[in-house]
Amino acid sequence: DQQVKQNSPSLSVQEGRISILNCDYTNSMFDYFLWYKKYPAEGPTFLISISSIKDKNEDGRFTVFLNKSAKHLSLHIVPSQPGDSAVYFCAASYGGATNKLIFGTGTLLAVQP
Amino acid sequence: NAGVTQTPKFRILKIGQSMTLQCTQDMNHNYMYWYRQDPGMGLKLIYYSVGAGITDKGEVPNGYNVSRSTTEDFPLRLELAAPSQTSVYFCASSSSGGTGRKEFFGPGTRLTVL
Repeated sequence: DQQVKQNSPSLSVQEGRISILNCDYTNSMFDYFLWYKKYPAEGPTFLISISSIKDKNEDGRFTVFLNKSAKHLSLHIVPSQPGDSAVYFCAASYGGATNKLIFGTGTLLAVQP
Repeated sequence: NAGVTQTPKFRILKIGQSMTLQCTQDMNHNYMYWYRQDPGMGLKLIYYSVGAGITDKGEVPNGYNVSRSTTEDFPLRLELAAPSQTSVYFCASSSSGGTGRKEFFGPGTRLTVL
């Protein structure tokens, strides 16, 4: 049972335009969501996160939006740059002393120069 | 800081062989994790540790063992390797274990079992 879903395996965007990566989840107990970025042959690196008490969090070119009623979050990258080309993983967790991260399957973003 | 380091980077095993994947972090993090990533899939938690001497199972622990004798090291042991264990293995660490924690990942070990 895939609790965190990224239904788009890949996305291609022109440099300078907006990239929108989507993530859906099924478990209403999730209270924290994270985005990780992964380059080939490297481990994932933390990008941005959002608590379930918020609906938006912004960090430079990256903004994450959370729609709890739709159980949907999205990552916006504006403007997109060729260096943003990577696999993006959405992850979710719920409370507890040692809560576990549940990862989506990832979306490969290609930013064309 | 080197962050999280993993050795080896690549390994090919024969069915039934055993090996240990090494993981070391120099950030003095109490929490450490082992994940595996299969092609086209997300990361799945194998085992985790909340501190030296304390480990617990994650989502997919079968076929693996771990130990945590020091804060820095968290080796993952594969006994009787099987083709189903062909995957990329990532070790991670974090300073806290609760909601909102940020995990730092190593570069991964690509394991093939033939």
